[in-house]
Amino acid sequence: AQSVAQPEDQVNVAEGNPLTVKCTYSVSGNPYLFWYVQYPNRGLQFLLKYITGDNLVKGSYGFEAEFNKSQTSFHLKKPSALVSDSALYFCAVRPVDDNTDKLIFGTGTRLQVFP
Amino acid sequence: EAGVTQFPSHSVIEKGQTVTLRCDPISGHDNLYWYRRVMGKEIKFLLHFVKESKQDESGMPNNRFLAERTGGTYSTLKVQPAELEDSGVYFCASSQDSFAGTKNIQYFGAGTRLSVL
Repeated sequence: AQSVAQPEDQVNVAEGNPLTVKCTYSVSGNPYLFWYVQYPNRGLQFLLKYITGDNLVKGSYGFEAEFNKSQTSFHLKKPSALVSDSALYFCAVRPVDDNTDKLIFGTGTRLQVFP
Repeated sequence: EAGVTQFPSHSVIEKGQTVTLRCDPISGHDNLYWYRRVMGKEIKFLLHFVKESKQDESGMPNNRFLAERTGGTYSTLKVQPAELEDSGVYFCASSQDSFAGTKNIQYFGAGTRLSVL
């Protein structure tokens, strides 16, 4: 079955330190990869995507993600965390080998940045 | 430009009752999606409209769920009768036509939190 794994329910990091939120996937072919963020009482907000090309993609608010095909991973990173980055982060993939637009999500990782 | 809007933001109903959720996509977006997140779990796909047609409804859990998109604009998702396990957050998303430059990005609403007691 196709799936996305976010192994950490919560990631804690001090402000100013680098952060990583992990994501691995089990999807056949070469899926499109996404990260979304959900702030309290808000909808899911698109952060970045990987379709093809450079393995390091840059997105909103200084976030970036690194695609690793051999490890089927798409970890979200930021060099210096801000308290305002505290939110719920979702990794998602869109299979491209079947005729569907649906996104397959992970369970989400709560990022807590401490001052 | 207005984003995806969903109504209501929160609904509390009793088991056996009927609830209708509404989603207004971003203007001009042909694709409309419904997803659901049961507490603490992953967000799961329910179905996908292209304009007024159901493109993919493989994620609909059972026939108690009915989605419509009359006229290809807003969509409704009706649950009748509601069961306890239907509780969760229902998200709606929309995206442009696949030929548009920003294809593949789905823009989400804030969700409707449904509580079935």
